[in-house]
Amino acid sequence: QSGLTQPPSVSGAPGQRITISCTGSSSNIGAGYDVHWYQHLPGTAPKLLIYGNSNRPSGVPDRFSGSRSGTSPSLAITGLQAEDEGDYYCQSYDRSLSGWVFGGGTKLTVL
Amino acid sequence: EVQLVESGGGLAQPGGSLRLSCAASGFIFSRYEMNWVRQAPGKGLEWVSYISSSGSTMYYAESVKGRFTISRDDAKNSLSLQMNSLRAEDTAVYYCARVSSGDNYFDYWGQGALVTVSS
Repeated sequence: QSGLTQPPSVSGAPGQRITISCTGSSSNIGAGYDVHWYQHLPGTAPKLLIYGNSNRPSGVPDRFSGSRSGTSPSLAITGLQAEDEGDYYCQSYDRSLSGWVFGGGTKLTVL
Repeated sequence: EVQLVESGGGLAQPGGSLRLSCAASGFIFSRYEMNWVRQAPGKGLEWVSYISSSGSTMYYAESVKGRFTISRDDAKNSLSLQMNSLRAEDTAVYYCARVSSGDNYFDYWGQGALVTVSS
């Protein structure tokens, strides 16, 4: 099952800004399907962070933002905090699977 | 408050079976599409299976097709995943996840149930 591609790791100092990219294919992101982002902290359930490329659910701090330029979506986190450490996943619908694909996950380390 | 609580995880032998359940509360379960997603040790999230709100449509990842069966009981607000012919590579934490109404993202997730396949 082919998935989306993310960098395996990213790091930044407290207060800094980081971005995470996500690459797909013509059957998912390239087909125009929206990209969503999830935060998965150790020992917890995955949490919806961004939906529909750039929308934040209520309760998600505005330090988290999503964007999409053509077929290149990305997640940005500003004002890094220690509690942001964890794994971040992009997700999209894939028409060839009639299901969903996730990125491999990006591990965020706050230095 | 929306809650999804998985149960039924545990140890199974290769070739064996296990049935996971997900108890839903805090929303009208029958109106929502549901999924199972898993995470193998040290790996990322992998979508496993989908069921429509009516229960009439199901989809599966290639890795589990023909071995796993998703179902729902709206009277009991419950989602299930019957796992047969289990393999070592099915070892993972299994999450149930709700699809946001009218959209294609997962707005609520359960805490997960650990399935270990080993002899």
